[in-house]
Amino acid sequence: GAVVSQHPSWVICKSGTSVKIECRSLDFQATTMFWYRQFPKQSLMLMATSNEGSKATYEQGVEKDKFLINHASLTLSTLTVTSAHPEDSSFYICSARGGREVEQYFGPGTRLTVT
Amino acid sequence: GQNIDQPTEMTATEGAIVQINCTYQTSGFNGLFWYQQHAGEAPTFLSYNVLDGLEEKGRFSSFLSRSKGYSYLLLKELQMKDSASYLCAVIDSNYQLIWGAGTKLIIKP
Repeated sequence: GAVVSQHPSWVICKSGTSVKIECRSLDFQATTMFWYRQFPKQSLMLMATSNEGSKATYEQGVEKDKFLINHASLTLSTLTVTSAHPEDSSFYICSARGGREVEQYFGPGTRLTVT
Repeated sequence: GQNIDQPTEMTATEGAIVQINCTYQTSGFNGLFWYQQHAGEAPTFLSYNVLDGLEEKGRFSSFLSRSKGYSYLLLKELQMKDSASYLCAVIDSNYQLIWGAGTKLIIKP
């Protein structure tokens, strides 16, 4: 099956700093990538959808200036959490979908802790 | 609005069978997924149904009734490693994935 990687797997940063998370599709071209956030014991929450070469579409309540998404190529999307606060601590998961496929392939997730 | 309902938590015994139900009301339908998610890990794909009926894959089976807006995931010969959350998700008319809140399955010896 298709493989999606994320880097880093976990990161600890200080409040006020920025953190970049990478999501890569390793063996297919991801025309659409999705970024999710999941708090403990809660379901996945879609943050934004990005198509290669165009601006991301953010879900209601997600600050686009705080969560910067770049989908510069068909195999790479990045999420940058700017001016991180402790409440941004969460599990961030990306997924990718190729062409006309309906299935999303998930990355392993990135656990962010802001101190 | 769009809505997906599944039980919050279920408990079953090792070796037994459990059925996790999912009902949905979405704007359009282009298929239903079941994912398994262990604590601290990303979801992993279990099944995809787009036509009515039962799809069997080893110990796991998934059923869909589009007219009833209903699906279930059937797990047989339960093993301790099956303890996880099971997520139901529907693709709507805009090809967006609408997620249920997940069912936490607890397996007891």
